[in-house]
Amino acid sequence: DAGVIQSPRHEVTEMGQEVTLRCKPISGHNSLFWYRQTMMRGLELLIYFNNNVPIDDSGMPEDRFSAKMPNASFSTLKIQPSEPRDSAVYFCASSPGGTYTGELFFGEGSRLTVL
Amino acid sequence: TQLLEQSPQFLSIQEGENLTVYCNSSSVFSSLQWYRQEPGEGPVLLVTVVTGGEVKKLKRLTFQFGDARKDSSLHITAAQPGDTGLYLCAGASAGNNRKLIWGLGTSLAVNP
Repeated sequence: DAGVIQSPRHEVTEMGQEVTLRCKPISGHNSLFWYRQTMMRGLELLIYFNNNVPIDDSGMPEDRFSAKMPNASFSTLKIQPSEPRDSAVYFCASSPGGTYTGELFFGEGSRLTVL
Repeated sequence: TQLLEQSPQFLSIQEGENLTVYCNSSSVFSSLQWYRQEPGEGPVLLVTVVTGGEVKKLKRLTFQFGDARKDSSLHITAAQPGDTGLYLCAGASAGNNRKLIWGLGTSLAVNP
């Protein structure tokens, strides 16, 4: 079975540009999470969807970040405009359960560098 | 703010050695998960512990949840280069806000 699929794997962009990260969760999983990982802060939860509905977006840093899940098989995380401090690895994870705390299946991540 | 502190932050050992890494908090967790993350990949779940005092074994890895469900340890016997990676613990908060709280991880390098 395919795991969580993220694209792009690497993105290098200039400050001010729009960045869109994409995620295809595991089929049948009800929950989807977007995380950001940095050396200093570790894994930070940005947003959590359950059955395609955003449940908790309190981790989204500011209005420059937005996330959508138009259907059960696709989600996007958009940063507009991007800033150097947004440089990080962004992970999408899905879970078969409907809670924050079930087993998470992570994608391979999207490494974002904002110059 | 709940915190999960992992120690040591970095560990470099020779193949065949034993090691223990720790995950500590002042908060009580309803459950705790351990993940391993290899370079360029996402974390992969190793185990979930739920009951205070619980011990789980996964081949050469032994996981223990503290009696008070505030801490956990991971012991690796006869480490191998394939054990190299970032070991992350994540606790499920016991209160109403049942989010996962993540530690920063222990970066383990096992040298052949």
